[in-house]
Amino acid sequence: EVQLEESGGGLVQPGGSLRLSCAASGFIFSNYWMHWVRQAPGKGLVWISRISSDGSTTDYADSVKGRLSISRDNARNTLYLQIHSLKGEDTAVYYCARADVLRFLEWTLDVWGQGTTVTVSS
Amino acid sequence: DIQMTQSPSSLSASLGDRVTITCRTSQAISHYLNWYQQKPGKAPKLLISGASSLQSGVPSRFSGSGAGTVFTLTISGLQPDDCATYYCQQSYTVPCTFGLGTKLQIK
Repeated sequence: EVQLEESGGGLVQPGGSLRLSCAASGFIFSNYWMHWVRQAPGKGLVWISRISSDGSTTDYADSVKGRLSISRDNARNTLYLQIHSLKGEDTAVYYCARADVLRFLEWTLDVWGQGTTVTVSS
Repeated sequence: DIQMTQSPSSLSASLGDRVTITCRTSQAISHYLNWYQQKPGKAPKLLISGASSLQSGVPSRFSGSGAGTVFTLTISGLQPDDCATYYCQQSYTVPCTFGLGTKLQIK
């Protein structure tokens, strides 16, 4: 079964750091670009980052650029998101998702994890 | 960044109704538009890719259309299981933006 499972969320103080993990199973992880999407309580989905299948290319939303670092370990089938200088507005459910590339520019987020909750509060 | 404007932000409809949700983009994106369904406490689920391609396993009452800057998601014959929030998302460029969502309730 194709699955993604996030972990690493929790309660963190403002200014702190956190590393989220996303364990992949049931597919060839190293063949896929991977994304992180977050959702603040009661709000919509916000894309925050993506990484190429080999890890050589990364992109970030402007709102988080400089505070986030996406990475992956294809040998361990695991995606990571390091978040620094956490702020209250980072409080959200963080989802990892697999990108299925159909054609150039035509891709979807076809597999999602269940999400991990990050709460930034003192 | 490409801005995504979804309308309405919420709607209430009766079982069996035909419902249409619109997504407008701030610049032309050809057909690089996907639709997702999200139920409370759950991860989003992909419904439609490339503006109009129904994903495997998605009921045929869902359909998508559009190109350029205006796209629609239509549900023909609303069912109780369709109570959810629906999001459009463009894959044309980074950042890959989502619409703010349309919350669909059953009367």
